Amino acid sequence: GAVVSQHPSWVICKSGTSVKIECRSLDFQATTMFWYRQFPKQSLMLMATSNEGSKATYEQGVEKDKFLINHASLTLSTLTVTSAHPEDSSFYICSARALWGTSGSVGRVNEQFFGPGTRLTVL
Amino acid sequence: GNSVTQMEGPVTLSEEAFLTINCTYTATGYPSLFWYVQYPGEGLQLLLKATKADDKGSNKGFEATYRKETTSFHLEKGSVQVSDSAVYFCALGPYDYKLSFGAGTTVTVRA
Repeated sequence: GAVVSQHPSWVICKSGTSVKIECRSLDFQATTMFWYRQFPKQSLMLMATSNEGSKATYEQGVEKDKFLINHASLTLSTLTVTSAHPEDSSFYICSARALWGTSGSVGRVNEQFFGPGTRLTVL
Repeated sequence: GNSVTQMEGPVTLSEEAFLTINCTYTATGYPSLFWYVQYPGEGLQLLLKATKADDKGSNKGFEATYRKETTSFHLEKGSVQVSDSAVYFCALGPYDYKLSFGAGTTVTVRA
């Protein structure tokens, strides 16, 4: 249980295009989803926090108009990289935080479950 | 602000060797500390955690003790297996919300 998927796992796009990345909690409901960005040999950097049905909260330095986040349901959040440029190339990782009582084990409530990541390459 | 520094890798070991990955942190308040593991092709998984000073987290033979006096949370395993080959991330946060991660340490265990 507590599986998070991301789609696509990798994507290559041309500069100036927009790319959408999906994050789904497959067997539990997530009140909160997080989006991270990871550069090679560097730590995961939190980009934004999204709560179902409300606007995402972006970390300092993250352009909200550049990285559009939508959390339309308790099992799906999307990150859209708009007008992508080569400097947006990175590994994007999402995580989902379980809603009370839905993760199968009380001990795992509020734990973050991570997706496998999406490799974005902008040419 | 909060930050985590963990030893750089990669680390290559033989089976049954002792593994230590150092992790130190700076934080305001009283954060919880975590170790996550990422196996090839998979998402990060919580390996163990400690929520207050002197707590010891343990799982799958791995241990880490929350040392406030040295601001450390070093990960140890007494006898590693090939299946322990992965990337290990040290992290801290208020519970598991808004985590701050270290850079990750790649561990390769050879038979």
